[in-house]
Amino acid sequence: DVKVTQSSRYLVKRTGEKVFLECVQDMDHENMFWYRQDPGLGLRLIYFSYDVKMKEKGDIPEGYSVSREKKERFSLILESASTNQTSMYLCASSLGEAQETQYFGPGTRLLVL
Amino acid sequence: AQSVSQHNHHVILSEAASLELGCNYSYGGTVNLFWYVQYPGQHLQLLLKYFSGDPLVKGIKGFEAEFIKSKFSFNLRKPSVQWSDTAEYFCAEYYGNNRLAFGKGNQVVVIP
Repeated sequence: DVKVTQSSRYLVKRTGEKVFLECVQDMDHENMFWYRQDPGLGLRLIYFSYDVKMKEKGDIPEGYSVSREKKERFSLILESASTNQTSMYLCASSLGEAQETQYFGPGTRLLVL
Repeated sequence: AQSVSQHNHHVILSEAASLELGCNYSYGGTVNLFWYVQYPGQHLQLLLKYFSGDPLVKGIKGFEAEFIKSKFSFNLRKPSVQWSDTAEYFCAEYYGNNRLAFGKGNQVVVIP
């Protein structure tokens, strides 16, 4: 079974802090994704990566950056956290093209005070 | 950006009732459609998917979905729900360039 893990289930940070969210997948998937999930808004794509050191902006990249130095690991960075970035963050991975099934991690619930 | 529409965000029904969740997609290219489910406290997981072939797709836990091209729809159905079907359900479509567009979700509560 594909396993996608995220470094924290819950995180509390202060406004202005730099925040790192880590995601690791164990199935040698090419694609990795970061979404945020908000009630009534569904999932919105922040960034995705289709290979090591390769990244593309999703629909809501503002205020975020990403890093993929190794195939299995994809990090989401909030350079200066703001209260409107309080959300559930979901990492996903998939093999090859994105029409393949995406496998999701358990999510990180981030609260920015 | 592509859009996926899901109706009736909150659905409450009793056990043994039938469930149908509507989904309308907008992408006019090759159609790849998904339904994902998120049970309370669990991660999002695939329920079923349609790429081509038979427009009636069967998934896990007795769910099925029907692709109707003329209506741009991919509705999810289950003839008799159980309390364990309480979850949030998301419809999604692939619209190229490694992207999935998700709907806003349906929060389904099944009352025992």
